[in-house]
Amino acid sequence: DTAVSQTPKYLVTQMGNDKSIKCEQNLGHDTMYWYKQDSKKFLKIMFSYNNKELIINETVPNRFSPKSPDKAHLNLHINSLELGDSAVYFCASSQDGGLNQPQHFGDGTRLSIL
Amino acid sequence: GENVEQHPSTLSVQEGDSAVIKCTYSDSASNYFPWYKQELGKGPQLIIDIRSNVGEKKDQRIAVTLNKTAKHFSLHITETQPEDSAVYFCAAKDMRFGAGTRLTVKP
Repeated sequence: DTAVSQTPKYLVTQMGNDKSIKCEQNLGHDTMYWYKQDSKKFLKIMFSYNNKELIINETVPNRFSPKSPDKAHLNLHINSLELGDSAVYFCASSQDGGLNQPQHFGDGTRLSIL
Repeated sequence: GENVEQHPSTLSVQEGDSAVIKCTYSDSASNYFPWYKQELGKGPQLIIDIRSNVGEKKDQRIAVTLNKTAKHFSLHITETQPEDSAVYFCAAKDMRFGAGTRLTVKP
């Protein structure tokens, strides 16, 4: 009964490819997020969706496009992958809209670009 | 925007000792201060949080203190155990995270 689940856990691909990461939460939360954690463990928010609507889009290249088919799912599609995209990507959710709430994180997707 | 500084970056203590991690923030509008614990290969997990209307909150061996005037907040872990070893992150307004503290508890 995992609360926030991401697939795949590991993703190894070549530069220039397009890939997607899926996220699902079974907590009934209204808001979902994507974070990027770099090799130095620094965590930075990328996107926030509230009830399928984008509410935050940090300074992320437009090669990254989140898609929310329903409020329980927030997928991340990345076009034309670059070496600098190598990182661990975390999905998270919270009950209410707004960032200043407890968040539940998935276990991450480690993306490696060759 | 918010800027969060976290110290120390690494902390090693003996089992049973206390550990303190400190964070400072810049945006006086910050009113929510969570602490997350991240174990190897896992996502961050909320361990305690505090809102700006209180100065201290405690949950068993973990406590958080907040000084709004000085714009800093701290995580206190007492009677540390080896399973407390992890990376700890503070956050302030709009989930701006500190850089993390790697805590090692030696048995």
